Amino acid sequence: KAGVTQTPRYLIKTRGQQVTLSCSPISGHRSVSWYQQTPGQGLQFLFEYFSETQRNKGNFPGRFSGRQFSNSRSEMNVSTLELGDSALYLCASSLGTGAHEQYFGPGTRLTVT
Amino acid sequence: GIQVEQSPPDLILQEGANSTLRCNFSDSVNNLQWFHQNPWGQLINLFYIPSGTKQNGRLSATTVATERYSLLYISSSQTTDSGVYFCAPRGSNYQLIWGAGTKLIIKP
Repeated sequence: KAGVTQTPRYLIKTRGQQVTLSCSPISGHRSVSWYQQTPGQGLQFLFEYFSETQRNKGNFPGRFSGRQFSNSRSEMNVSTLELGDSALYLCASSLGTGAHEQYFGPGTRLTVT
Repeated sequence: GIQVEQSPPDLILQEGANSTLRCNFSDSVNNLQWFHQNPWGQLINLFYIPSGTKQNGRLSATTVATERYSLLYISSSQTTDSGVYFCAPRGSNYQLIWGAGTKLIIKP
């Protein structure tokens, strides 16, 4: 069974631009969660989607948004990029929402200049 | 919210050594996962362990939920064990809550 895939793997953007990251979960998994990892803040939860609905949201500004499609693939969007948005963005999939084990993709490393 | 404390923050060992990594959490949790983050950033699942003890090769983990801690044991360390180890319990809304990690360096 293929693992979680994320595209692109690396991205360089300029302040003020917007970016869209994509995540394809493990086949059969219906929940996708997104996390941001920075050297200063560590790993932080962004949001979780299940059955095309956002189920949980972390403490991030409205510039961070996401969505999930009917095939469970998910995208996250960051608008009006700031230097502080430079981070590793990790996507995790699980069978369902709740206490299921999460499996992570390789991440997208975003650099904002 | 739940606070997660991992210790030690850094650990440097020679190949072949054994180690114990600790994770304390401040409140009741629904379950807990241990991950190894390799130098390329990939988070690799080690254990899904809400309570009890599990073993997988040279690694084992124990969670004592009533006392709010979990331990990860690594025996006969290899250089490929280097990286950052995270424990991540789940809070009441089921999101993973992350500790700061233990950075492990295994020297040949």
